[in-house]
Amino acid sequence: LAKTTQPISMDSYEGQEVNITCSHNNIATNDYITWYQQFPSQGPRFIIQGYKTKVTNEVASLFIPADRKSSTLSLPRVSLSDTAVYYCLVGDMRTNAGKSTFGDGTTLTVKP
Amino acid sequence: NAGVMQNPRHLVRRRGQEARLRCSPMKGHSHVYWYRQLPEEGLKFMVYLQKENIIDESGMPKERFSAEFPKEGPSILRIQQVVRGDSAAYFCASSPRGQGHSYEQYFGPGTRLTVT
Repeated sequence: LAKTTQPISMDSYEGQEVNITCSHNNIATNDYITWYQQFPSQGPRFIIQGYKTKVTNEVASLFIPADRKSSTLSLPRVSLSDTAVYYCLVGDMRTNAGKSTFGDGTTLTVKP
Repeated sequence: NAGVMQNPRHLVRRRGQEARLRCSPMKGHSHVYWYRQLPEEGLKFMVYLQKENIIDESGMPKERFSAEFPKEGPSILRIQQVVRGDSAAYFCASSPRGQGHSYEQYFGPGTRLTVT
């Protein structure tokens, strides 16, 4: 599984756009990029998944450059309830049995 | 459609006792994963199971830990002779997988094991 590197923590204010970047220099051809959100005392929750270019859903956008060595999770207009830990995962979801190592994630703190 | 169910939510065991953690996947999901999360750390993969089969247990400690996912009933993670270092949150996730699925995993609320 490709190793990922994320900032340990980020601060933001309500209403701002937040971009969290994840580095994955050793990403393999068949690897997908997946982001999860985890609140204290809860299990992680799937946010978004992509392979290349840009993916958008009702919660977030995921930007992946052509070389795929990094990715950026974009959260538009964050609120206090977006305070959580965000994990970036990279892996071949078809052949590695969905096994994922979550790393330490990025703790996002949204302030009023 | 109910989400992934785990029970108990909290479990206290004395050193040397056995801990049994249960996980019922989402309806229609036949793939189950177990993770362990120590305080202030990320989740660590333990084992991946399909019905009646262990597919990947590379993250499981070699001793005292076992997992099963029988044809009927929930998946069970069993820890024998617990030690204080086993205190952690144990999360179960399920996935539909297969052709056409995005391979995302749906997590349960976790079982918090405390060994005294």
